[in-house]
Amino acid sequence: EDQVTQSPEALRLQEGESSSLNCSYTVSGLRGLFWYRQDPGKGPEFLFTLYSAGEEKEKERLKATLTKKESFLHITAPKPEDSATYLCAVHNNNDMRFGAGTRLTVKP
Amino acid sequence: SQTIHQWPATLVQPVGSPLSLECTVEGTSNPNLYWYRQAAGRGLQLLFYSVGIGQISSEVPQNLSASRPQDRQFILSSKKLLLSDSGFYLCAWSVRDRNSPLHFGNGTRLTVT
Repeated sequence: EDQVTQSPEALRLQEGESSSLNCSYTVSGLRGLFWYRQDPGKGPEFLFTLYSAGEEKEKERLKATLTKKESFLHITAPKPEDSATYLCAVHNNNDMRFGAGTRLTVKP
Repeated sequence: SQTIHQWPATLVQPVGSPLSLECTVEGTSNPNLYWYRQAAGRGLQLLFYSVGIGQISSEVPQNLSASRPQDRQFILSSKKLLLSDSGFYLCAWSVRDRNSPLHFGNGTRLTVT
């Protein structure tokens, strides 16, 4: 069965303390891996799409990478405004399956 | 640019009452449309998706139904709400390319009392 697992469930960082979020997946026929940011009480906001192993995408302090089994969202020198829940989703041949998310808190 | 509107933002309804949540998309034609439910600490669960007017696919058996009366309008309904229907409901759209990302509305927080 296709699965998407995100770790850690929650992460607390000091401002400027870089770290990575993990998304591991087992799907048949990966057609794309997506990262979203979700603020409390809001809908997820699309960040990146990765299609093949080795691909990388960057946006401000965020960089997403993809291997055949997992994706990482690297956060460099985070700021308090980066605090949010980050969701990973994989698109296989049938549907889009979401992980439960990593709740990131960046303290000043 | 494309925008998605979802309303209401919050809703408190008694058990057994009907439900109607509405979602509209602007700035695009022939979108795929989706209804998701998000439970605390869990991933988004796909409830319904639609590839065109009147075409609805249901992913899970439940107390809910969906309709797409117009190209850019998607409605989630229930005839009689259950306590278990409480949750955060999200509407989303995508272009017809199956590899394209979803774009979400800001959700409806439904509390059934």
